Amino acid sequence: AQKITQTQPGMFVQEKEAVTLDCTYDTSDPSYGLFWYKQPSSGEMIFLIYQGSYDQQNATEGRYSLNFQKARKSANLVISASQLGDSAMYFCAMKPNAGNMLTFGGGTRLMVKP
Amino acid sequence: KAGVTQTPRYLIKTRGQQVTLSCSPISGHRSVSWYQQTPGQGLQFLFEYFSETQRNKGNFPGRFSGRQFSNSRSEMNVSTLELGDSALYLCASSSSGGGGNIQYFGAGTRLSVL
Repeated sequence: AQKITQTQPGMFVQEKEAVTLDCTYDTSDPSYGLFWYKQPSSGEMIFLIYQGSYDQQNATEGRYSLNFQKARKSANLVISASQLGDSAMYFCAMKPNAGNMLTFGGGTRLMVKP
Repeated sequence: KAGVTQTPRYLIKTRGQQVTLSCSPISGHRSVSWYQQTPGQGLQFLFEYFSETQRNKGNFPGRFSGRQFSNSRSEMNVSTLELGDSALYLCASSSSGGGGNIQYFGAGTRLSVL
C-alpha cells in the first residue's frame, strides 16, 4: 500500500518569493514515481513535475523543482518567483512503476499575496 | 493536440437514478483512469481501463462501473445514486502504464445528487 502525506493544509506566499510545499510518502514498492499536480478552482488537475525513484538528479520544470530525498521519503515541491496565478490547490501523488493507480495526498492550498 | 475531454461538465441527479459520464482521452493514449474527488475523502482511484480491459480497480462498490471502447473513449456509470456520490469525477489518460508514464487529467464532471 502507498500513502502520501501533505502536512500543510494552507500556505501564504508573497508574490515573487519562493515557496516549498511539503510531501512525504510511504511505499513498499521498489520502484515508483512521484508527481505534483496543480488544481485551480476550475477543477482541472494540471501536471507539473515528475520524479522517478531511481533518478539521481532532482527534477526541474521551469519555475518548479522537486526536492527529492529518498532516504527521508520526501518529495517537496519548490516554486520559485511565485505569481498570482499560482494560487491553487497542489497535490502530491505517487504510483508504482508497475501500474497506473495514483495515490494522492490531501493537498495544500497555496495563496499568493500581491 | 487536444487534451482530455470530459462530458458533461455538470450534472444534477436525484437519489436512485443512474448516471453515465464520458471521457475522451488524448489522441494515441490507450489508458484511461477514473478518480473521485470529495471534500471528505479527497482523491480516490476508481478504476483503469487499457485496451478495452479493466486493468485495476479501486475500493468502490459495484454500483460504480465503467467500460472502454475501441477508440479508447471511456464511460463511467453509477447506478442507484446516493447522496454520498456527489463529487467531482476526474478522468485521466496516459499512453501506457509503466515507469514515468504521466497521467493527464480532464476538467472533470461535477455530479450533484439531490
